[in-house]
Amino acid sequence: RKEVEQDPGPFNVPEGATVAFNCTYSNSASQSFFWYRQDCRKEPKLLMSVYSSGNEDGRFTAQLNRASQYISLLIRDSKLSDSATYLCVVRGVNTGGFKTIFGAGTRLFVKA
Amino acid sequence: EAQVTQNPRYLITVTGKKLTVTCSQNMNHEYMSWYRQDPGLGLRQIYYSMNVEVTDKGDVPEGYKVSRKEKRNFPLILESPSPNQTSLYFCASSLSTSFAANEKLFFGSGTQLSVL
Repeated sequence: RKEVEQDPGPFNVPEGATVAFNCTYSNSASQSFFWYRQDCRKEPKLLMSVYSSGNEDGRFTAQLNRASQYISLLIRDSKLSDSATYLCVVRGVNTGGFKTIFGAGTRLFVKA
Repeated sequence: EAQVTQNPRYLITVTGKKLTVTCSQNMNHEYMSWYRQDPGLGLRQIYYSMNVEVTDKGDVPEGYKVSRKEKRNFPLILESPSPNQTSLYFCASSLSTSFAANEKLFFGSGTQLSVL
C-alpha cells in the first residue's frame, strides 16, 4: 500500500464546476499536510497548507481528518487556469526517518 | 530574490559517466532534499539533509550520493549513471526541520536527465 494515495483522475470538468480531490495517508504520526499544484514538467508550487480546523483560500478549501487519515481539496467555480496536477504532500517522522511523501497526483482538466 | 537554484536544466549523458546536479538555496534553510519524478509514480525522495554534514536516505537512494558541506549547497551525484536513472529531478528546501510547523518546501526548477 502506498503511503500517500490519491485518485489519479483525470477529472474533466466544465468551467464553473466544483470539483473535489481526496487523499489518504498511512502514517498516523504524520505532522504536516499540504496541497501542491504542478503544471506540466514544472516544479510543484504550494497551493495551501492543510489544518485540522480546515482552511480556505478564495475558491479553494482544504480539510484534514486525522482520525480517518484523510485530506481533501475542494475547488469551486473552476477556471481554465486551474488545469494542472494536484499533489497531496505529507511530512513527518516514520520508521525510515524524516520523510516528505508525495501522492502521485490528480490530474484536472477544466474545459470551456 | 529567495530561491532554489538547480543546474543544469537539461542533461544528456551516457551510461557510466559520472555527473553532478547542483542545488543551492539562498534562504539559510536547514532542510534540503532531492526527488525524482517518473510518470505514474509521483515524486519520490532520494536523499535529504537536516543540516550541514547530516544526510539520510529517502525512499530511492540506490545509485545516488549527496553531500552537505555547506548549508546552502546540496549536490546530487551519480557516480555511474544507468538508463533507469533517466528522470525529472527536483531539489527542494525548507526553513527548519520541524515538520510540525507546516513550513512549505521551496523547489528548484528541475533537471531533466537522460542516460543513454
